[in-house]
Amino acid sequence: DAKTTQPPSMDCAEGRAANLPCNHSTISGNEYVYWYRQIHSQGPQYIIHGLKNNETNEMASLIITEDRKSSTLILPHATLRDTAVYYCIVSPPGSWGKLQFGAGTQVVVTP
Amino acid sequence: GAVVSQHPSWVICKSGTSVKIECRSLDFQATTMFWYRQFPKQSLMLMATSNEGSKATYEQGVEKDKFLINHASLTLSTLTVTSAHPEDSSFYICSAPRPIGGEETQYFGPGTRLLVL
Repeated sequence: DAKTTQPPSMDCAEGRAANLPCNHSTISGNEYVYWYRQIHSQGPQYIIHGLKNNETNEMASLIITEDRKSSTLILPHATLRDTAVYYCIVSPPGSWGKLQFGAGTQVVVTP
Repeated sequence: GAVVSQHPSWVICKSGTSVKIECRSLDFQATTMFWYRQFPKQSLMLMATSNEGSKATYEQGVEKDKFLINHASLTLSTLTVTSAHPEDSSFYICSAPRPIGGEETQYFGPGTRLLVL
């Protein structure tokens, strides 16, 4: 069973911020929150990950609630190329961290 | 740029033949790699863990004699689909953990699309 819950789909206007929610109420203390996205017919692309602090990189920001039971991925200025399925995954770090993918959120960015 | 490559990117074969798919880590060594399978309109399903120098470990329901995995070097894992049948047609994707800043993050290959006729 997937450890995360995400909305199945969401639309976003080009140039606006996209906020993607994820619930992971059963997350363990050593598990990180990872976000990947998969553009049609490609392999998943790593976006960002975090343990408990908020994180930001050139692609996105990750906001993790204090109790770590949920998180939000923020794409600050969505472009058409951000249309993809976004996966929120919780997993321990390192080689033993086999990633279990859920259904993800299909994000469609519209002009 | 890409850090994990796969070859071939797509393959069409006849039923009953075997198909080998390669997964390479490009600028780092990976003692462990992972193989996934994705059917149309579904999510990725983990098939097996490829271990350099030892046997692969398979997820429940995945036939080890059907999907042969060889991790012969620190940068290469191969998945061989033996006696392929149309139901094996799928998108096969590998991943490898890459160390960044003291942590390891899984990076995925571009995938190999297999069509068995």
